[in-house]
Amino acid sequence: AQSVTQLDSHVSVSEGTPVLLRCNYSSSYSPSLFWYVQHPNKGLQLLLKYTSAATLVKGINGFEAEFKKSETSFHLTKPSAHMSDAAEYFCVRGGTSYGKLTFGQGTILTVHP
Amino acid sequence: EAQVTQNPRYLITVTGKKLTVTCSQNMNHEYMSWYRQDPGLGLRQIYYSMNVEVTDKGDVPEGYKVSRKEKRNFPLILESPSPNQTSLYFCASSLSRVPPSFGANVLTFGAGSRLTVL
Repeated sequence: AQSVTQLDSHVSVSEGTPVLLRCNYSSSYSPSLFWYVQHPNKGLQLLLKYTSAATLVKGINGFEAEFKKSETSFHLTKPSAHMSDAAEYFCVRGGTSYGKLTFGQGTILTVHP
Repeated sequence: EAQVTQNPRYLITVTGKKLTVTCSQNMNHEYMSWYRQDPGLGLRQIYYSMNVEVTDKGDVPEGYKVSRKEKRNFPLILESPSPNQTSLYFCASSLSRVPPSFGANVLTFGAGSRLTVL
């Protein structure tokens, strides 16, 4: 079965330091990949998406992700964390069955002052 | 304002008492979908609909029903709820019939409905 694995359930950083949220996917081809963010008591919001164009994808709020086919990874990064980045982040893959999306387990990002 | 509206936002019910969670979107979106979110499991797709009268199972459809009689509404029905259906539920929609799984369109999510079955 196709899957998405987020390698860390919790990540804690200090404000102003870099953020790295890791995501690996299983696939025999290049799927569509997304990162969504969920702030407390809110619905999910799209951060960025990869659809087989440029491998380095830029999203909102300074986030970016790099698609690496050889490593089957799609890690999310940000050079400098802000307090407002504290949220849960989901890596999502598509491109398998028509209409289906597969979500990773989620990574909770905590940002300390 | 363009949005996906779910009701109720919070519900506590008892085993076996039928309930419906409504979902409505005002963006004329073709695609709609239901997910449940459980700690450590991320979001899992329950059902989705590519258009009116067209629905299909996601990864965890057991115990749920849906209908799509009009484009804007996609209710989730629990005929006989059980405690293992206690969860946070999200409805989402996107514009085109091209599935969001292929990256062509972005999903818009509702704010969520927290359901507790005793």
